[in-house]
Amino acid sequence: NAGVTQTPKFRILKIGQSMTLQCTQDMNHNYMYWYRQDPGMGLKLIYYSVGAGITDKGEVPNGYNVSRSTTEDFPLRLELAAPSQTSVYFCASRLGAEEAFFGQGTRLTVV
Amino acid sequence: AQSVTQPDIHITVSEGASLELRCNYSYGATPYLFWYVQSPGQGLQLLLKYFSGDTLVQGIKGFEAEFKRSQSSFNLRKPSVHWSDAAEYFCALHSGTYKYIFGTGTRLKVLA
Repeated sequence: NAGVTQTPKFRILKIGQSMTLQCTQDMNHNYMYWYRQDPGMGLKLIYYSVGAGITDKGEVPNGYNVSRSTTEDFPLRLELAAPSQTSVYFCASRLGAEEAFFGQGTRLTVV
Repeated sequence: AQSVTQPDIHITVSEGASLELRCNYSYGATPYLFWYVQSPGQGLQLLLKYFSGDTLVQGIKGFEAEFKRSQSSFNLRKPSVHWSDAAEYFCALHSGTYKYIFGTGTRLKVLA
């Protein structure tokens, strides 16, 4: 099993550009999450999904969108990138009551 | 409301010294509790977890944690710290629903 795979690992965007952060898991997990991590702020939940076709907002959803067309994939879309979206993004997945597994992260800089 | 508090933002210990990282939670029932470690530039790796049963849980890399219901705490301990333990540590909980809540993390520095 590859676990949770995120691409790309690094990206620099210009203000106003759009991009999609990819996340794939091969563990047949039902829950999937997107977090952003800023220095000293811990992890903030952006969006989550409890299964294919079901998504919902977390604490900081503004400026982002997600979809979950399959169990495996949970892409995060940034529209009209802003400097405030400079962060490290983590995708995670979980099965039932078990622990979450994390990807290696995507370091995004918006300039 | 559910919450996780890690009161120490930074902790510095000497190599070979013991370590205790604090975690307090707020939840109406017994939550599922976790400790994760994040090395620089890496994702989060699970150290240990508590679901029920024995309140002292053993994890990887020589870490252990004790669940104390009366104090709403789940502190992480290690008897002898190694330089490679320098990292950021996160405590987390979930109640079995979608919510997976993290503390703000404790950054550990190890002095040679």
